[in-house]
Amino acid sequence: EVQLVEFGGGLVQPGRSMKLSCVASGFTFNNYDMAWVCQAPKKGLEWVATITYDGSSTYYRDSVKGRFTISRDNAKSTLYLQMDSLRSEDTATYYCARHSRITQAMDAWGQGASVTVSS
Amino acid sequence: DIQMTQSPHSLSASLGETVSIECLTSEGISNYLAWYQQKPGKSPQLLIYYTSGLQDGVPSRFSGSGSGTQYSLKISNMQPEDEGVYYCQQGYKYPWTFGGGTKLELK
Repeated sequence: EVQLVEFGGGLVQPGRSMKLSCVASGFTFNNYDMAWVCQAPKKGLEWVATITYDGSSTYYRDSVKGRFTISRDNAKSTLYLQMDSLRSEDTATYYCARHSRITQAMDAWGQGASVTVSS
Repeated sequence: DIQMTQSPHSLSASLGETVSIECLTSEGISNYLAWYQQKPGKSPQLLIYYTSGLQDGVPSRFSGSGSGTQYSLKISNMQPEDEGVYYCQQGYKYPWTFGGGTKLELK
């Protein structure tokens, strides 16, 4: 069974940093691109970042470029999102998702990690 | 960025009814259009990929169609478990973008 489990959410002050992790199981992690998608409270889905299967390429939405870093450790089947210089508008639930290169869709999702940026 | 215009914003359907949700894109996306369902307090689940591909385990009453800049999701024979919010998403070009969502309720 494919499983994605996020860790690391919580309350953080504006300007500070937080790192999310997503541990994958039930599939060959290094065969898949991975993504982070966020959802602000009572709002819709927003793509945040994607990393290719081998970590060689990364892509970000404009609002997080230079502040967030997506990375992966294929030996540990783990995806990361380092979030620096956090702003109140980054408050959201962050989902990690498995991305299929064939279908260009996200076919497995974690349960989400809640991040609240507030003083 | 590719803009995704999803409609309607919300709708209600009776048991057994057929409903459609539309998604217009601001430019052509070569059919790289996916549909997701999200139930309250849960993570999104993939329903349809590449416009009309049915994800494993998804009931056949869900179907997708479209081309160019116009895409749609059809739900035939509405069931109680189909309540939720539906999102379209383009995977053609970065940044990937989602539609604003359609809330579907059982009448």
